[in-house]
Amino acid sequence: EAQVTQNPRYLITVTGKKLTVTCSQNMNHEYMSWYRQDPGLGLRQIYYSMNVEVTDKGDVPEGYKVSRKEKRNFPLILESPSPNQTSLYFCASSLGQSSTDTQYFGPGTRLTVL
Amino acid sequence: DQQVKQNSPSLSVQEGRISILNCDYTNSMFDYFLWYKKYPAEGPTFLISISSIKDKNEDGRFTVFLNKSAKHLSLHIVPSQPGDSAVYFCAPRRGQNFVFGPGTRLSVLP
Repeated sequence: EAQVTQNPRYLITVTGKKLTVTCSQNMNHEYMSWYRQDPGLGLRQIYYSMNVEVTDKGDVPEGYKVSRKEKRNFPLILESPSPNQTSLYFCASSLGQSSTDTQYFGPGTRLTVL
Repeated sequence: DQQVKQNSPSLSVQEGRISILNCDYTNSMFDYFLWYKKYPAEGPTFLISISSIKDKNEDGRFTVFLNKSAKHLSLHIVPSQPGDSAVYFCAPRRGQNFVFGPGTRLSVLP
């Protein structure tokens, strides 16, 4: 089954404790992206990657890091989480860079930073 | 300053009637416009899209209209069904940068 998976689905942590949210897709997609969803703001793009070793900032990259060492994986790293990073996070992937390519989203990771 | 607005946070429609969801944007550089649908505890799923060079795209019960001069697009669902109850996000795109609106929660009443 074609899918985007994220782990963990739920995470409660404390300020300053480094964490990684994993994202994996099995569709051989080139393009992957991370979003956060906050009430009243919709989804905001954090980082995206157009291929292995190619990443770029989205609209809200501060406090986040990403890496793309393999095509299928795109982990999101919070080196020193803070309470304002409490949010619902979504990973997405699409086939390529064509404007007709649609994004497939993972089920989301709900992060709480105390 | 939000580039994409969906001014109706929620909308209730009777089953069988038309649902109209609206989206306004400010950036004239957007070249593609997408609508996503989201159920609780799931990620968004793609619904329908339209290129900036078109003014209408239809797919079954779903039609998207684009008015570039007004920087406005709308999603029409006819007839509405209870299974359409979800949050709908408008997502204009500029290159690889997607900008999502805040969403409209649609409730279709049986």
